[in-house]
Amino acid sequence: DGGITQSPKYLFRKEGQNVTLSCEQNLNHDAMYWYRQDPGQGLRLIYYSQIVNDFQKGDIAEGYSVSREKKESFPLTVTSAQKNPTAFYLCASRIEHVNTEAFFGQGTRLTVV
Amino acid sequence: KQEVTQIPAALSVPEGENLVLNCSFTDSAIYNLQWFRQDPGKGLTSLLLIQSSQREQTSGRLNASLDKSSGRSTLYIAASQPGDSATYLCAPNNQGGKLIFGQGTELSVKP
Repeated sequence: DGGITQSPKYLFRKEGQNVTLSCEQNLNHDAMYWYRQDPGQGLRLIYYSQIVNDFQKGDIAEGYSVSREKKESFPLTVTSAQKNPTAFYLCASRIEHVNTEAFFGQGTRLTVV
Repeated sequence: KQEVTQIPAALSVPEGENLVLNCSFTDSAIYNLQWFRQDPGKGLTSLLLIQSSQREQTSGRLNASLDKSSGRSTLYIAASQPGDSATYLCAPNNQGGKLIFGQGTELSVKP
């Protein structure tokens, strides 16, 4: 069935390590997004991609990196430069990057140990 | 810069009540506004998408209204049920294409 799949659901990282969060969609959507959610706060945009091989920084891109080599995949790497990476990460997609409905995955909870 | 405020931050009601959740935004130059539901520890589920040219959008017991010029949207939930308990988020879609989120309204419906 169609949808957005994020993996893993839970991820633990040691300080100083890079980790990669997976986001895959089979909806044939052009646009994909990564958001971060902290307790008591709204979602904040990290990176977005309007089309394959192109992506833009969101509001809190420092310490993160992305790639968009395939239409269906938009992995997010949390680097050791991200000072406070413990959070809930959400991936979203929509048909095109402007005025269409956005759909979200089930999220990945990242904890630094 | 778009700022989104949702009032109230939390709401607890008995089952069967009709509810109104409020969303206000500072930049009225939007394409549309989307309402989402989030259950604890889960992703967001899209409830309604209301285009800037529309005044209302309905889905089942949910009705969303949009007053773009005044920067306001409301989500009306009729005959609330315990299964409606969740956090509700609104997100105006700016002309830059970004969804900007409020902090949400945490709803609890008691049986």
